[in-house]
Amino acid sequence: EVQLVQSGAEVKKPGESLRISCKNSGYSFTNYWISWVRQMPGKGLEWMGRIDPSDSYTTYSPSFQGHVTISADKSTSTAYLQWSSLKASDTAMYYCARQRGGYDSDYWGQGTLVTVSS
Amino acid sequence: QSALTQPASVSGSPGQSITISCTGTSSDVGGYNYVSWYQQHPGKAPRLMIYDVSIRPSGVPDRFSGSKSGGTASLTISGLQPEDEADYYCSSYISSGTKVFGGGTKLTVL
Repeated sequence: EVQLVQSGAEVKKPGESLRISCKNSGYSFTNYWISWVRQMPGKGLEWMGRIDPSDSYTTYSPSFQGHVTISADKSTSTAYLQWSSLKASDTAMYYCARQRGGYDSDYWGQGTLVTVSS
Repeated sequence: QSALTQPASVSGSPGQSITISCTGTSSDVGGYNYVSWYQQHPGKAPRLMIYDVSIRPSGVPDRFSGSKSGGTASLTISGLQPEDEADYYCSSYISSGTKVFGGGTKLTVL
């Protein structure tokens, strides 16, 4: 069974760093890309970027380029999304998803809620 | 890159059919057959309903269908059921090698 299990909710202060995770199982991790999607409170889905776990090649949406870093660890089948300096506007639910070559996402994690508040 | 354009809301009665449109440009919807549709119930993760414009993944009822004409894609739900009430998002590949979502459509089953 394909599963993407994300790390738990986080509460952080502005300026702090954060890394959230997405552990994959039930399939060959290096055969599919992993993408990250943001959903701000009461708002729609925003595609942030994706990584090819086989070689860690990443592509970012221009809206998120330079603001977040996507990485992956083949040895643990885990993908990561990290921030070096959080802002209040980063408060959102973040989803990881298995992305196929046609850019559709067939399996999703349960989401990680990130709250940034002073 | 701008979000694809979807109506904010649509509604229909049980048993009826509804269509949700998703309008883009020649750089996204109009240029590639990589349009997908997602259903999201409140507090839940999105679920893939249609990919590659018109293909239904295993387990998705055949009441859901997708199509495309030029730069506009459409999701049609026939024989509306109460459980179809949810938010629906389209997405498309973009020529830059990235992906974009539509703004989302809230479907109300009256």
